[in-house]
Formats: sequence, structure tokens, C-alpha cells
Amino acid sequence: GAGVSQSPSNKVTEKGKDVELRCDPISGHTALYWYRQSLGQGLEFLIYFQGNSAPDKSGLPSDRFSAERTGGSVSTLTIQRTQQEDSAVYLCASSLVFAGGRTDTQYFGPGTRLTVL
Amino acid sequence: QQPVQSPQAVILREGEDAVINCSSSKALYSVHWYRQKHGEAPVFLMILLKGGEQKGHEKISASFNEKKQQSSLYLTASQLSYSGTYFCGTNRGSTLGRLYFGRGTQLTVWP
Repeated sequence: GAGVSQSPSNKVTEKGKDVELRCDPISGHTALYWYRQSLGQGLEFLIYFQGNSAPDKSGLPSDRFSAERTGGSVSTLTIQRTQQEDSAVYLCASSLVFAGGRTDTQYFGPGTRLTVL
Repeated sequence: QQPVQSPQAVILREGEDAVINCSSSKALYSVHWYRQKHGEAPVFLMILLKGGEQKGHEKISASFNEKKQQSSLYLTASQLSYSGTYFCGTNRGSTLGRLYFGRGTQLTVWP
């Protein structure tokens, strides 16, 4: 398909375990974003990658959260030593970037629902 | 820096109109509107850029008042399919692409 894909769609883990969430952006989109959405809440920005620039990590809630983007395409969000408050839907989005750095519409993937027991 | 959306919730009958507002305390370059249905990813509706350019959905319109740092989404002759949570995302025009999202407005359309 041509859209943003994420895996797994659901992840149940035990408190203290590490988890990895994957995002495949739309081909050709150089910008990639991770957001978190808790039940009934809005979209909380986590991290933003744009090409070869240093990522904007200003939204990561703690040092247990990290993300990388390999080869300018696929991204992995890692949560170490998961806590119950990490339970949420993790959404990935991608977009084109215009000359000058401004980004176009963000297209969202279906999300990964993380449940920490 | 999170924009404020109002109202928090709207209940309509099919065919009625609704307006959802999004305001920011910071100067804006663009406003992005999304709709999210329960259990699904947000879907892009419309983007409004500083300077007046607008693109988006046919049956839904929006305005962007740069001076007041506000945007409004207009839903006319609402349909059952309009039900969902509407989010505005704001961008302040820096080279960084992050959007600041509001808490959302839950719209329910009844037959």
C-alpha cells in the first residue's frame, strides 16, 4: 500500500520490559513524526526526523524513550523499562518537506496500541 | 503552545451546521485540521496557510485569521459520516515541522 504502516498493531507487555515500535513512512517523505495518544486525549508530540538533520527530540517524556531512523526511511521507537503510564496509542506520521524546510500535510499510520500490564 | 479548541463537544442532527474553533497564543504559519474516528488514525481534512492559500475537503470549509491567530472549521449540512473527533494542529513557521495539536472536539451527528 501507499500509506504509512506501523507494526505491531497491538502490543501487550509487562511492566519493566522493553518494546520496539516500527514505522514505515510513505515513500519519498523525508519527514517522519512520532506522536502518542492516551485514551480520550489529544496528540502528544514525541519526536521528529527530517532528512539528515538532527532529530527534534523535545517531546520525548523521559530518557526511557528513544527513536532512530535508518537510511532515511524506516523508524523505530524504543521504550525501555516500560511503565503503566506508557500505555497509549503510538502514532507515526510522515510528510513531504518543501524548500526552506516547511512541511506539508502529515499522513498518519494506523498506530500501535501499547498496553503495559 | 498547545492551541485551544472549542467547543469540546458538539451534538447535531443530520443536516445541521457546526463550527469548531482553534486559537493559539503564538503567531501561526499554518493550521492543519484532522478528523479521527474511534479506533482509527487521524485523517487529513484541510490545511490553511498564512497568506490565504487554502486547500482541502470539498464539503468542509475553514477560515484562518492570522491577526487573531485563530482558525475555524465549518461543517455545513452535516452527515452521519462527519461524526468523530476533530483536531487542529498548528505550525509556527519555523523550519521544524512539528505540529502542536489541540485536545480535540468530539462531534456526534444523529439521524
